[in-house]
Amino acid sequence: AQSVTQPDIHITVSEGASLELRCNYSYGATPYLFWYVQSPGQGLQLLLKYFSGDTLVQGIKGFEAEFKRSQSSFNLRKPSVHWSDAAEYFCAVGPGSARQLTFGSGTQLTVLP
Amino acid sequence: NAGVTQTPKFQVLKTGQSMTLQCAQDMNHEYMSWYRQDPGMGLRLIHYSVGAGITDQGEVPNGYNVSRSTTEDFPLRLLSAAPSQTSVYFCASSLTGAYNEQFFGPGTRLTVL
Repeated sequence: AQSVTQPDIHITVSEGASLELRCNYSYGATPYLFWYVQSPGQGLQLLLKYFSGDTLVQGIKGFEAEFKRSQSSFNLRKPSVHWSDAAEYFCAVGPGSARQLTFGSGTQLTVLP
Repeated sequence: NAGVTQTPKFQVLKTGQSMTLQCAQDMNHEYMSWYRQDPGMGLRLIHYSVGAGITDQGEVPNGYNVSRSTTEDFPLRLLSAAPSQTSVYFCASSLTGAYNEQFFGPGTRLTVL
């Protein structure tokens, strides 16, 4: 079965600083990979997804993620964080059936002014 | 479009009581899903449906029932509530499967005493 690990429970960055959130997955074949964001008191919103092709994918709100097969990673990055980016971020992985996603435990991002 | 709606927003139950969490979407999406969110555990899939009349179990289905009699509605039933079911419940929908962008409802916060 597939699994997802987000090693960082909580990350704090200053506004304007760069950001990298880590995600490692375990799956036998090429996985389908996703990043979702949850603002306080809200449901989740899709930031970006990777299925195949270019390993660097662009998403909404200025986020990007890079798929590295050799490291089984799909880290999320943003060059300059804004205060509105404070939220919880979830990495998710899916097998080929397209019926289920497995979510990581999430990384809480705090942005300092 | 209202998107994905969930009712109620908050609910307190006593152990052994039953109840139904309502979920509806007006986007004509075929795929609908129920997740529970617990601290430090991310989102876990309870049940999902790929179309009217078709449902299947996710990762944590025990204690929950679902049905999908129409494309729009996907209610989640707690048969006999237990304290372990205290959680935040999210309903989501997408066009055809888990790999399309899933649109999440605002959540239901359930407490079982």
